[in-house]
Amino acid sequence: RKEVEQDPGPFNVPEGATVAFNCTYSNSASQSFFWYRQDCRKEPKLLMSVYSSGNEDGRFTAQLNRASQYISLLIRDSKLSDSATYLCVVNPSGTSYGKLTFGQGTILTVHP
Amino acid sequence: NAGVTQTPKFRVLKTGQSMTLLCAQDMNHEYMYWYRQDPGMGLRLIHYSVGEGTTAKGEVPDGYNVSRLKKQNFLLGLESAAPSQTSVYFCASSTPVGSSYNEQFFGPGTRLTVL
Repeated sequence: RKEVEQDPGPFNVPEGATVAFNCTYSNSASQSFFWYRQDCRKEPKLLMSVYSSGNEDGRFTAQLNRASQYISLLIRDSKLSDSATYLCVVNPSGTSYGKLTFGQGTILTVHP
Repeated sequence: NAGVTQTPKFRVLKTGQSMTLLCAQDMNHEYMYWYRQDPGMGLRLIHYSVGEGTTAKGEVPDGYNVSRLKKQNFLLGLESAAPSQTSVYFCASSTPVGSSYNEQFFGPGTRLTVL
């Protein structure tokens, strides 16, 4: 089983739609969780951290379920500019040097 | 601030050739990382460094060597390139514990093709 698993998609949604991505992780001792965004042929960039209580940043909401070991990202009112690959990222051990494990990414395409 | 920069952006090698990829960061970060990204595989950690003069193996270190002689630079070397090393290579850096969290900042990537 992969350490971090995501549905690769692609997800094709119209502008204004709500879309959700899920991600599962295998190491129950994992400490930190993130969503990164990667545009085509660009580097990954941090979208948001994921906290146990859930957190929201504008149109984006991240949730963590430690019991079931999954993380979710909800995007409301999708924009064309949201088209990208979304990477689920886990720090499996909470080590100080921040070693991260990346999922393979979920491709999102928002169309007019 | 330039952030994290990588040199070169593109390179084509023949099997058996050697090369060095350079990563530089101007954010005074302690930790630096080299990843490779292949289709359907996600990013995989090759080597990392927790400070000047120190390096450690990541998930896929075979065929690569690294050096961190200066805090701001992290070099990735391929001594004898193989077609299996065709990939996109990303360098990243992050702050040590003491920050709110260890966000990793990535360079723009190096696209390497080995023929």
